[in-house]
Amino acid sequence: KNQVEQSPQSLIILEGKNCTLQCNYTVSPFSNLRWYKQDTGRGPVSLTIMTFSENTKSNGRYTATLDADTKQSSLHITASQLSDSASYICVVVSNSGYALNFGKGTSLLVTP
Amino acid sequence: SAVISQKPSRDICQRGTSLTIQCQVDSQVTMMFWYRQQPGQSLTLIATANQGSEATYESGFVIDKFPISRPNLTFSTLTVSNMSPEDSSIYLCSVERGMGETQYFGPGTRLLVL
Repeated sequence: KNQVEQSPQSLIILEGKNCTLQCNYTVSPFSNLRWYKQDTGRGPVSLTIMTFSENTKSNGRYTATLDADTKQSSLHITASQLSDSASYICVVVSNSGYALNFGKGTSLLVTP
Repeated sequence: SAVISQKPSRDICQRGTSLTIQCQVDSQVTMMFWYRQQPGQSLTLIATANQGSEATYESGFVIDKFPISRPNLTFSTLTVSNMSPEDSSIYLCSVERGMGETQYFGPGTRLLVL
């Protein structure tokens, strides 16, 4: 069964600090891995999309890494801001029938 | 990019009734999807809305309960039929221009069934 596991489930950090969110998956065959940010009461917004050959991709203060061999990805947030408070969802896409496999998300709270 | 609107944004309904959710996209898109997000959970795909043909449903979801229409490349509706409290959830519409491209989500419809 294709699975996507995210950790930690929730995280509280101080404004200005860095943090790293983890995503481990068993999805196969692999097509791409996506990170989304979902603000409370809103739909998810795409942060990054990475294919098999990409090891890292940045979007402003967000940097995603991918190790396709170990089937692990991380999302690093630099110099956190209050507006970073949200749920971060890892999605792994299989090219077998184009299936999207969603993780349960990491809930991040950035405090002043 | 794609701008997606959903109506209604939220609703409170009585059990046994039905609610139709509308999804409008600002440009033509090939792929359109409906998701459900239950409290504290991640997104679950209900079905792929196909233009001009019947929707493709995921395991656990059936057309009688979640009928879907897609009359053109910019609009779709999802109906939640014969609702029960277990249907209380956020329902999200999403679009994708092509496989491997960014997926855009609507703001969601918050449904509470009493």
